[in-house]
Amino acid sequence: RKEVEQDPGPFNVPEGATVAFNCTYSNSASQSFFWYRQDCRKEPKLLMSVYSSGNEDGRFTAQLNRASQYISLLIRDSKLSDSATYLCVVSNNAGNMLTFGGGTRLMVKP
Amino acid sequence: DTAVSQTPKYLVTQMGNDKSIKCEQNLGHDTMYWYKQDSKKFLKIMFSYNNKELIINETVPNRFSPKSPDKAHLNLHINSLELGDSAVYFCASSQARDIFYEQYFGPGTRLTVT
Repeated sequence: RKEVEQDPGPFNVPEGATVAFNCTYSNSASQSFFWYRQDCRKEPKLLMSVYSSGNEDGRFTAQLNRASQYISLLIRDSKLSDSATYLCVVSNNAGNMLTFGGGTRLMVKP
Repeated sequence: DTAVSQTPKYLVTQMGNDKSIKCEQNLGHDTMYWYKQDSKKFLKIMFSYNNKELIINETVPNRFSPKSPDKAHLNLHINSLELGDSAVYFCASSQARDIFYEQYFGPGTRLTVT
């Protein structure tokens, strides 16, 4: 089993749609979780951290379910500019290293 | 103004050659990283340095040798390049070694070994 698993997609959605991605992780001792965004042929950039209580940043909502070891990202009112690959990222036990999932590709169409 | 810069952006070379990639950050960060992103888009940590000291070495072949002359620079030298080394190499930096701190990535170096 991969340490961090994501559906690679692509998810093709129309503008204005709500879309959700899930990610599962294998290390139950992981303490920190993030979503990064990577545009085509660009570097990854932090989208948001994921807190135990869940957190929201504008149209983006992240949730963590420790019991089931999965993380979700919800995007509301999708924009064309949201088209990118979304990387689920999990820390190791020691909290000094990040493990990246393979990413979920989102394509928002007009 | 670029926070994390890498050179070169593209590198095409033949098997068996030795090449270097340079990375510089002007953010005043203490910690720097090298990641490899393969054709399947998985991004994997290779090395991490904190204040010029190696703190993570993720079972990377000895042909890869990082060097940090100061905390703003982390270079990657690769000996005897192999076809499997073809990938995008990203440098990153963070304020400190704790992963709570956001990692800022450079634009990547696309290495093609023929």
